[in-house]
Amino acid sequence: KQEVTQIPAALSVPEGENLVLNCSFTDSAIYNLQWFRQDPGKGLTSLLLIQSSQREQTSGRLNASLDKSSGRSTLYIAASQPGDSATYLCAVNNNDMRFGAGTRLTVKP
Amino acid sequence: DGGITQSPKYLFRKEGQNVTLSCEQNLNHDAMYWYRQDPGQGLRLIYYSQIVNDFQKGDIAEGYSVSREKKESFPLTVTSAQKNPTAFYLCASSATPQVPYEQYFGPGTRLTVT
Repeated sequence: KQEVTQIPAALSVPEGENLVLNCSFTDSAIYNLQWFRQDPGKGLTSLLLIQSSQREQTSGRLNASLDKSSGRSTLYIAASQPGDSATYLCAVNNNDMRFGAGTRLTVKP
Repeated sequence: DGGITQSPKYLFRKEGQNVTLSCEQNLNHDAMYWYRQDPGQGLRLIYYSQIVNDFQKGDIAEGYSVSREKKESFPLTVTSAQKNPTAFYLCASSATPQVPYEQYFGPGTRLTVT
């Protein structure tokens, strides 16, 4: 059964810092991996979807990478802003979607 | 606006009562999903439906029931048999159930049972 782990569980950084969030998974036979943002008490907003054949995807200040062989994905956020404060979840899809518990990010002004 | 709506946003019920959570989508998506989210845990799949009049159990279906009579609607009933129903419930949809697919989520319903 696919296990998805996100470390750290919480992260606090000053505004302007570049940061990396980590996601690891145990079964590398995936179809795709999706990164989501969740604000408190809200639903999930899709940020990036990486197909299994891709190495990375970029959207604005966000860059997600995928290394299937090592079972890892990273979400890189450049020049962080207080508005980036949220919980970030990764989800791995191999026939069904498995979610990590998320990393709660706080960006301090 | 296209999207997924869930109602109500907050729901309070007494123990022993059944309660139904609404999920509607106007994205013309074939597949719909119900997840449960508890603090400090990832989302867990309750039920999913790949097509009208068909649905499958997820990892934690006990104590829940669903129906899919219309493409745009996938209501979830939390029955009195669910031992720990207080949680945040999220509905999602995807264009097709075939992989690869991208899931889109509704705003969620927070259910509190006392």
